[in-house]
Amino acid sequence: EVQLVVSGGDLVQPGGSLTLSCAASGFSLSGSTIHWVRQASGKGLEWVGRVRSKAYSYATAYSGAVKGRFTISRDDSRNTGYLRMDSLEIEDTALYYCTRVPVPNSWRFDPWGQGTLVTVSS
Amino acid sequence: QSALTQPASVSGSPGQSITISCTGTSSDVGAYNYVSWYQQHPGKAPKVIIYDVSNRPSGVSDRFSGSKSGNTASLTISGLQAEDEADYYCSSYTTTATGVFGGGTEVTVL
Repeated sequence: EVQLVVSGGDLVQPGGSLTLSCAASGFSLSGSTIHWVRQASGKGLEWVGRVRSKAYSYATAYSGAVKGRFTISRDDSRNTGYLRMDSLEIEDTALYYCTRVPVPNSWRFDPWGQGTLVTVSS
Repeated sequence: QSALTQPASVSGSPGQSITISCTGTSSDVGAYNYVSWYQQHPGKAPKVIIYDVSNRPSGVSDRFSGSKSGNTASLTISGLQAEDEADYYCSSYTTTATGVFGGGTEVTVL
């Protein structure tokens, strides 16, 4: 079965750090761009950032809301992507999804992981 | 990057057709044919139903169709069914090589 499994969500204090993992099974992530998307409770989807494949020099990009605080990376040998979150703010509380765009020159997030909950609270 | 603009809610009776709009700018929706649509049922992860403006993934009903004109993309659901009741989100690639989503549209089947 083709799936992404997201893990690492937790309760963390404001100013704290957390790293999420996104492990692929049933397919190789190596040629794909990995994206992270979050959704606060009762709210819409928000694009967080992405890391491209080795062919594109693992280039990263982030939303303005997280730029400078979040870092996206990948380890193709482990078929896994990561989202490192530093200087967490209460507004970062959300369900975090990972997904991928499987081929270049297309805009299609498929599949999606099940999401992991990050709660930022004192 | 501001969120794309979608109507908060759209409703229709079974069998009817509804259309959801997604309005952006020349820096996102209007820039490329890289617009996709996602269906999300409560408590579930989103699922792609349209990509690259009008392409349907294998296994997605042909009752779903997409189009674009200028800075506005549209999703049409024909022959509305009870199972179509869900939240729908558009997404676009942008000229700064980032992504953006719409605010989401709640579809109600009357």
